[in-house]
Amino acid sequence: RKEVEQDPGPFNVPEGATVAFNCTYSNSASQSFFWYRQDCRKEPKLLMSVYSSGNEDGRFTAQLNRASQYISLLIRDSKLSDSATYLCVVNKESGTGNQFYFGTGTSLTVIP
Amino acid sequence: DARVTQTPRHKVTEMGQEVTMRCQPILGHNTVFWYRQTMMQGLELLAYFRNRAPLDDSGMPKDRFSAEMPDATLATLKIQPSEPRDSAVYFCASGFGNQNIQYFGAGTRLSVL
Repeated sequence: RKEVEQDPGPFNVPEGATVAFNCTYSNSASQSFFWYRQDCRKEPKLLMSVYSSGNEDGRFTAQLNRASQYISLLIRDSKLSDSATYLCVVNKESGTGNQFYFGTGTSLTVIP
Repeated sequence: DARVTQTPRHKVTEMGQEVTMRCQPILGHNTVFWYRQTMMQGLELLAYFRNRAPLDDSGMPKDRFSAEMPDATLATLKIQPSEPRDSAVYFCASGFGNQNIQYFGAGTRLSVL
């Protein structure tokens, strides 16, 4: 079983729509959670960290559910510029340092 | 604007040849990661350094891959001999301390023919 699983999509939504992605992780000892964004043929870039209490950054809201071992990303009022692949990242610290696990990404296309 | 620098950006080589990829982490960062990205597997961690010491290279095929940090400003990933299945985008990322946030370079797109 993969450490992190995401629905690959693609999600095709009209401008202005609200869209949500989920990501599940297998290791209950995981400690830090992030969403990264990757544009086509570019490097991943941090979108936001995910905190236990949930957090919001403008049109983006991230939630963590430790009991069910999933994190979510909600995008409100979608813009054309939101079209990208969204990667879920889970981190677990161990004796040898941090272990980072990336999901394979969820593809989003926002349509005019 | 500080960034992670990777060279070369593109590399086309023939099977059996040695490939060396280089990464300059952001000045002051003490963690360096090497990843490989393919359509099928997504991002896979190959190696992880903290303060130049290798902490985790369990994701790296040891028979042909090697990763080093000769100094704090340079990390290298070497493949010898290269095989067609090594074709992928190789990303380097750096970070600092326990922030757990990684900053990625633009990647090296490798094609092994």
